[in-house]
Amino acid sequence: NAGVTQTPKFQVLKTGQSMTLQCAQDMNHEYMSWYRQDPGMGLRLIHYSVGAGITDQGEVPNGYNVSRSTTEDFPLRLLSAAPSQTSVYFCASSYLSGEVAEAFFGQGTRLTVV
Amino acid sequence: GDSVTQMEGPVTLSEEAFLTINCTYTATGYPSLFWYVQYPGEGLQLLLKATKADDKGSNKGFEATYRKETTSFHLEKGSVQVSDSAVYFCALGGPSGGSYIPTFGRGTSLIVHP
Repeated sequence: NAGVTQTPKFQVLKTGQSMTLQCAQDMNHEYMSWYRQDPGMGLRLIHYSVGAGITDQGEVPNGYNVSRSTTEDFPLRLLSAAPSQTSVYFCASSYLSGEVAEAFFGQGTRLTVV
Repeated sequence: GDSVTQMEGPVTLSEEAFLTINCTYTATGYPSLFWYVQYPGEGLQLLLKATKADDKGSNKGFEATYRKETTSFHLEKGSVQVSDSAVYFCALGGPSGGSYIPTFGRGTSLIVHP
């Protein structure tokens, strides 16, 4: 089972460059989200989607864009990379069973902006 | 809004010691509660969950009981192993502001020495 697949695993960008972090899930989950993980800060929610065509901002959305054209894919775009965006990025999908929302995570993308 | 507070780490223990990682939460309604574990270089994976008050979640020797009266979900293990060294995240999931994206604590690093 593939689950949640993130690509690439590692990336180095120069300040001002743009790139897209890919996330795909094959579990037909309705909800998808992007987090960044920084030392001492835990997981902070960047953007999330509650279904195809619907996205919303999380706690730290500035500098990032998302779209959700299909249930399976939820790419995260950095329009003009900054050193402050150096982080580990995790994509997650979650499903609802009754009132319980359980999340499944990708392996992460380690991004360095120089 | 919903929030999760975990004890700060790192927690350093010797093998076979007893583990407690404290977690308290603030939420409207009756969320489900989770513990996720992140091993070095990997994404998060679900360790255990509890869906209603007084439920006990358990897995791999770890346990946590959903205490509504103290809004807590402390993680315990009677005898830790070196292989338990990881970062542990407490989370709540369920209807929150109309979405079902889990809310995470900051994580607690556990280091177990032989």
